[in-house]
Amino acid sequence: GDSVTQMEGPVTLSEEAFLTINCTYTATGYPSLFWYVQYPGEGLQLLLKATKADDKGSNKGFEATYRKETTSFHLEKGSVQVSDSAVYFCGMDTGRRALTFGSGTRLQVQP
Amino acid sequence: DTAVSQTPKYLVTQMGNDKSIKCEQNLGHDTMYWYKQDSKKFLKIMFSYNNKELIINETVPNRFSPKSPDKAHLNLHINSLELGDSAVYFCASSPTGTTTDTQYFGPGTRLTVL
Repeated sequence: GDSVTQMEGPVTLSEEAFLTINCTYTATGYPSLFWYVQYPGEGLQLLLKATKADDKGSNKGFEATYRKETTSFHLEKGSVQVSDSAVYFCGMDTGRRALTFGSGTRLQVQP
Repeated sequence: DTAVSQTPKYLVTQMGNDKSIKCEQNLGHDTMYWYKQDSKKFLKIMFSYNNKELIINETVPNRFSPKSPDKAHLNLHINSLELGDSAVYFCASSPTGTTTDTQYFGPGTRLTVL
């Protein structure tokens, strides 16, 4: 069935380090792909999305490219800040008006 | 202004009890959802309503019954609670429910069944 797999956390980085969080998906067809972020004590918020192959989503310095060849949607940021500390969820649409998510990756950025 | 709110934030109860979680959105969206986040942190869709009409009902035990009195509210009632129901439950809404819509999530309700 449709599923999303993302790397286990926590990921601990120093400020200004480069970030990559891997995400791969299994689906029939070409679903829309999303990254959501959850800050402590809050609900999930959309970070970026891509709706077709080779699209690049970007927001707040984060980027992810929809790669159909590798069925991946890895999240990257060139220089992380302490304020980026949160849990990041990769998700895709199921074609049935709902999303399916990975297990989330906790990012901890140290000053 | 809280866009999607849930009450309560924490809920601790005994096995066998019946409990409800309330969700309200003030965004004027047509579609609302309930997700369950299990102990391994996977988020899975449970229900989806569009304009008070049930759209998605995943393989959830019939002890779980969603109720949508109007399109701004989607409450979740759980009968005969079991230990395995312990999880974080998230409510969400989206403008029209199409697959490219952004979903807006509430802060979650952590349910602990003892």
